[in-house]
Amino acid sequence: EIVLTQSPATLSLSSGERATLSCRASQSVSTYLAWYQQKPGQAPRLLMYDASNRATGIPARFSGSGSGTDFTLTISSLEPEDSAVYYCQQRSNWPLTFGGGTKVEIK
Amino acid sequence: EVLLVESGGGLVKPGGCLRLSCAASRFTFSTYGMNWVRQAPGKGLEWVSFISGGTNYIYYADSVKGRFIISRDNTENSLFLQMNSLTVEDTAVYYCVREGVQKWFDSWGQGTLVTVSS
Repeated sequence: EIVLTQSPATLSLSSGERATLSCRASQSVSTYLAWYQQKPGQAPRLLMYDASNRATGIPARFSGSGSGTDFTLTISSLEPEDSAVYYCQQRSNWPLTFGGGTKVEIK
Repeated sequence: EVLLVESGGGLVKPGGCLRLSCAASRFTFSTYGMNWVRQAPGKGLEWVSFISGGTNYIYYADSVKGRFIISRDNTENSLFLQMNSLTVEDTAVYYCVREGVQKWFDSWGQGTLVTVSS
């Protein structure tokens, strides 16, 4: 099973600041990695897929990068509505796995 | 817009069973793979099971293998999860999730809560 480790666990930043979230895989997943955003009381929403492609309707301030074992989700300028938990997920191997999540708080 | 509506959650005793359903609409259900993903209270996401559009491929997480059975009825646009031998560790919100054309989880239901407790 591929283990995804996300860091940091919590990120506390002000509106307008840049957020950098990390996801590290226990073995290479090529670019078979996605990011999801989950707000309290809501289902997750697909943000990025294939490491660097924005899903439909996702603002340009969200970007993804990486391949192999190291991936980054960047929010270039935080908005208040970006307060959420962000999960990475791989589909390189079964079973599909998620990272433990990074909580982004807006000060 | 894709609509996925789960039902069948509730309170069940350890060792009991429950069957979840997911009603899908506004897309051609039979051509999409479908998944169940769960989330224990206050915890992260855990993939549970996948079934391909034509049911040729079925996969399970090790944590549920041998206890849960995923199935679908393409004539009724419905996805199911038969959960047997439930334990307290199965307590979670269960989401019905579509595998999109890029093979990612592109549409999620609102979830149904399963509570396993004596």
